[in-house]
Amino acid sequence: ILNVEQSPQSLHVQEGDSTNFTCSFPSSNFYALHWYRWETAKSPEALFVMTLNGDEKKKGRISATLNTKEGYSYLYIKGSQPEDSATYLCALDNYGQNFVFGPGTRLSVLP
Amino acid sequence: SAVISQKPSRDICQRGTSLTIQCQVDSQVTMMFWYRQQPGQSLTLIATANQGSEATYESGFVIDKFPISRPNLTFSTLTVSNMSPEDSSIYLCSVEVPEGHEQYFGPGTRLTVT
Repeated sequence: ILNVEQSPQSLHVQEGDSTNFTCSFPSSNFYALHWYRWETAKSPEALFVMTLNGDEKKKGRISATLNTKEGYSYLYIKGSQPEDSATYLCALDNYGQNFVFGPGTRLSVLP
Repeated sequence: SAVISQKPSRDICQRGTSLTIQCQVDSQVTMMFWYRQQPGQSLTLIATANQGSEATYESGFVIDKFPISRPNLTFSTLTVSNMSPEDSSIYLCSVEVPEGHEQYFGPGTRLTVT
């Protein structure tokens, strides 16, 4: 059974600060790792899909890396803005059977 | 991609009643999923709903409590039956886009049971 953990549970940063958070998992036996951004009252928005060890993806100020050998993925936000405030979820795609989600990291960016 | 809408967006219900949540997709999809997120918990899969067959429920979820309909390839409903305060959650539907193993989510239904 896949178990996905995320840390920290929540964090507050000042506008302009860079930050990162972690998704960890015990096994590399999955098809893909997904990162989502979930703003209150909106649909979770897909950010990245990563499948290979060493994958790095970037979208604007946000980037992510995947290390399947050591069982973690990092999400980085450079120069945080208030609009980055959201819950960031990672999920493992269990070979099309289902997605297993972590509990999320709640980010608040203070102006 | 897929655009998904859910109704209602939120509701406050009394213990013992039932609520049906609707999920509408702007394109035909084979697999639809229903999730819930209880306060402080992870998004958890309730069931997978394929058109033309019975929904497949995850461990800990049963059809009597969460009956699901999937009448066509663009629509599904989830009913939360005989509600208790423990059912207070955000309920989301999602669809899988075959290419790329992506899942797209609706905006969720925030349910509070008093």
